[in-house]
Amino acid sequence: QQPVQSPQAVILREGEDAVINCSSSKALYSVHWYRQKHGEAPVFLMILLKGGEQKGHDKISASFNEKKQQSSLYLTASQLSYSGTYFCGTAGGGADGLTFGKGTHLIIQP
Amino acid sequence: DTGVSQDPRHKITKRGQNVTFRCDPISEHNRLYWYRQTLGQGPEFLTYFQNEAQLEKSRLLSDRFSAERPKGSFSTLEIQRTEQGDSAMYLCASGPSWGGINTQYFGPGTRLTVL
Repeated sequence: QQPVQSPQAVILREGEDAVINCSSSKALYSVHWYRQKHGEAPVFLMILLKGGEQKGHDKISASFNEKKQQSSLYLTASQLSYSGTYFCGTAGGGADGLTFGKGTHLIIQP
Repeated sequence: DTGVSQDPRHKITKRGQNVTFRCDPISEHNRLYWYRQTLGQGPEFLTYFQNEAQLEKSRLLSDRFSAERPKGSFSTLEIQRTEQGDSAMYLCASGPSWGGINTQYFGPGTRLTVL
């Protein structure tokens, strides 16, 4: 089952914050977040394992609520370079191929 | 430190022809994944190798598709008798197997156009 991402699209001004959500109907082992720019490959941002940990680097962080099978990606003080499509990928096991959501399009305007 | 590489980057073929793509993973990674991505969609999992063993195949991988990783290093994905519906970006990803996590790093992809 494909995870559901929300919102489908976000338009922000530079410096504003954004939250992107990813929810699944099946038990998850891990949630993976990627950013993809037009015509390029997805770039790995971070992975969260079941256990509800929160991770982050720079101004991008994420959380994983194992009970709700939900993950959220937080982008603070957004920069122009954050523009792109954000995908969450989920896995039910430690070696599984990922099942990706349909993506969230993020546009940052100056 | 080189990343995942794929060859060719673009392939245009006529319906009915066979095509083969190559993926070279990050050298220390023993897991290798193939995905397909169409416009406006997220990547769709096709198949997965650990070393030379093909451990998982998606239902998307019809019998016209075959993947190999003969020596546990590079991998090839072949599509026989291509159809227009095969037009997509074919992505390869690799990752380590230690630590119980399945982090995957994507290559630049091969864009296939079937005329």
